[in-house]
Amino acid sequence: AQTVTQSQPEMSVQEAETVTLSCTYDTSESDYYLFWYKQPPSRQMILVIRQEAYKQQNATENRFSVNFQKAAKSFSLKISDSQLGDAAMYFCAYRLPIDDKIIFGKGTRLHILP
Amino acid sequence: KAGVTQTPRYLIKTRGQQVTLSCSPISGHRSVSWYQQTPGQGLQFLFEYFSETQRNKGNFPGRFSGRQFSNSRSEMNVSTLELGDSALYLCASSSPRTGPSSEQYFGPGTRLTVT
Repeated sequence: AQTVTQSQPEMSVQEAETVTLSCTYDTSESDYYLFWYKQPPSRQMILVIRQEAYKQQNATENRFSVNFQKAAKSFSLKISDSQLGDAAMYFCAYRLPIDDKIIFGKGTRLHILP
Repeated sequence: KAGVTQTPRYLIKTRGQQVTLSCSPISGHRSVSWYQQTPGQGLQFLFEYFSETQRNKGNFPGRFSGRQFSNSRSEMNVSTLELGDSALYLCASSSPRTGPSSEQYFGPGTRLTVT
C-alpha cells in the first residue's frame, strides 16, 4: 500500500527567508504523481505544485520548488522569500495516473514570523 | 468559472442521526471525490464518482455512502452518526482525463459536528 510521511508536524520561518518541508513516500509503482497542497486557515485546499514521477527535472512554480529524489522516494518543498500569506498547513500527496484517489501525508503546519 | 461548492458549510447532528452533504463540481467536471479530514487521522479518501458510477472506494464502513447525479453533482450520506464522524468533509472535482493527469479542485468543505 502507498503511504506518505511528513516528519515535521510544525515549522517556523522568518519572513523573506527560505524554508524546506520534507516528505517521503512509499510505493512499488514506477509511474505516479506527487503534489504539495496548501490549506490556509480558511480551509480551501489549493494545489501548490505537481511533479510527474517520469520527469527528472524538478518542478518549479514561482517561489515554490521541489527536490524530487525518486530512488530515495523523497519529495521536499522549498519556499523561497517566505511571505505572511504562506502560513498554512502543507500536505504532501501521491496519486496514480489511472486514479483520482489522493493519498495525503499528515501535514506540516508552517508559521511565518514577521 | 465557479469553483467547487459544498453545502451546507456547517452542520451539527446528534449521535444516531443521519446526514447528507452535497457537492457541486466545477462546470464540465465529471469526477467527484470525497475526503474526510480529522485532526487524528488527517485526510482520508472516502470514494470517487465518475459519470454516476462509484469508481473507487476508501476503507470506510458501509454507513458512509454516496451517489452522483446526471449533472455530476454528488451527495454523500452518513447514517447512524457516531461521535468519531465529526470532521471536515472535503469534496474535489476534476475534468475528464484527456492527458496524463487531471488536477483536482477542492471545495471549502462541510464541517460536521456530532454531539
